[in-house]
Amino acid sequence: DAKTTQPPSMDCAEGRAANLPCNHSTISGNEYVYWYRQIHSQGPQYIIHGLKNNETNEMASLIITEDRKSSTLILPHATLRDTAVYYCIVRMNRDDKIIFGKGTRLHILP
Amino acid sequence: DAGVIQSPRHEVTEMGQEVTLRCKPISGHNSLFWYRQTMMRGLELLIYFNNNVPIDDSGMPEDRFSAKMPNASFSTLKIQPSEPRDSAVYFCASSPRLAGELFFGEGSRLTVL
Repeated sequence: DAKTTQPPSMDCAEGRAANLPCNHSTISGNEYVYWYRQIHSQGPQYIIHGLKNNETNEMASLIITEDRKSSTLILPHATLRDTAVYYCIVRMNRDDKIIFGKGTRLHILP
Repeated sequence: DAGVIQSPRHEVTEMGQEVTLRCKPISGHNSLFWYRQTMMRGLELLIYFNNNVPIDDSGMPEDRFSAKMPNASFSTLKIQPSEPRDSAVYFCASSPRLAGELFFGEGSRLTVL
């Protein structure tokens, strides 16, 4: 079972920052937060992951609260191509399993 | 670099027929995963391998499903006999190391009539 809770859908205006929340209140100390996205008809795509500290890469930023019970994925300047389902997942780094929940369907509005 | 390659991309078959889906992982990746996606159930993990050895097949729905990985560059998922409820998109993914990020193929869309 997925250990995360995400809103089913969100809208964001093109060019604005998209902030996607995720609750993971039962996360344990050795579990990481991973984000993937799935653009229509394609396979899921890895975005970013983190343990405690905030992380940033060329695609997005990941902000994890100090108590680690929630996190936010930030797409700094959303484009129409960012329209996708975004999945937040927690997993132990030594565990190969990635279990996907229902995710958040992000609509970027022109 | 070539990504994960799956074949066929689309398969339409009749109930009772055998279906074989194929996957070529990214060269050098040690782990391989098979997922199934439907509107009703979302993305489900079926089975995964590490260094060609099946690690967890608890997601395989029933005995009609089997998966093999005879070498590091090839895996198959077989359904025999197929049923209409097996209609789904089947994704293969590979990972460069234990518990690393997954790289997915484009999927194989299966329709069983």
